[in-house]
Amino acid sequence: KNQVEQSPQSLIILEGKNCTLQCNYTVSPFSNLRWYKQDTGRGPVSLTIMTFSENTKSNGRYTATLDADTKQSSLHITASQLSDSASYICVVSAIIPSWGKLQFGAGTQVVVTP
Amino acid sequence: DAGITQSPRHKVTETGTPVTLRCHQTENHRYMYWYRQDPGHGLRLIHYSYGVKDTDKGEVSDGYSVSRSKTEDFLLTLESATSSQTSVYFCAIRGGRTDTQYFGPGTRLTVL
Repeated sequence: KNQVEQSPQSLIILEGKNCTLQCNYTVSPFSNLRWYKQDTGRGPVSLTIMTFSENTKSNGRYTATLDADTKQSSLHITASQLSDSASYICVVSAIIPSWGKLQFGAGTQVVVTP
Repeated sequence: DAGITQSPRHKVTETGTPVTLRCHQTENHRYMYWYRQDPGHGLRLIHYSYGVKDTDKGEVSDGYSVSRSKTEDFLLTLESATSSQTSVYFCAIRGGRTDTQYFGPGTRLTVL
């Protein structure tokens, strides 16, 4: 069973509207959680990183939240733009092993329409 | 971009032929990784390296081998390609203050 589950699998939103993506994880012992953005045909790019003690982190119009107690995270996109059309991947790492093992969600495909 | 390139970017080959993909970094980072990405599966780790000549297996390593003779280069080899290895392959390097993994642009491999 995947240790990182994302929802929805895909969504379509109108340009200018807001949306929220969800991530639930079971990775333990928890180290940090990242959200990556992957444009079509390109490699993933890190948007935010949060550790256990952080419950919110912003990067421009992207705001990520983390509830380490319930093991849930969300990514909120404000005032969406056409360039926000991409796959958003939730990535969780544990404290051990130390070589950088990551647990990836399957991603949420976001399509922003004019 | 994090100073990471992959070559080739696209390749079509036939079943049974050997294939080598190259990952090159200019950041002098210690850790390098090879992933494959398939629809519905997300990114899965094939092999990783923690230094020159130091490598280890990931979760989907069967049918793949790797080599790292220099810090900047990490090679992924499919000894005898199969159709199930048709995928998009990403290399990543780990570094920076937050130990973030930075991904290359990917190689799309098609095995006929």
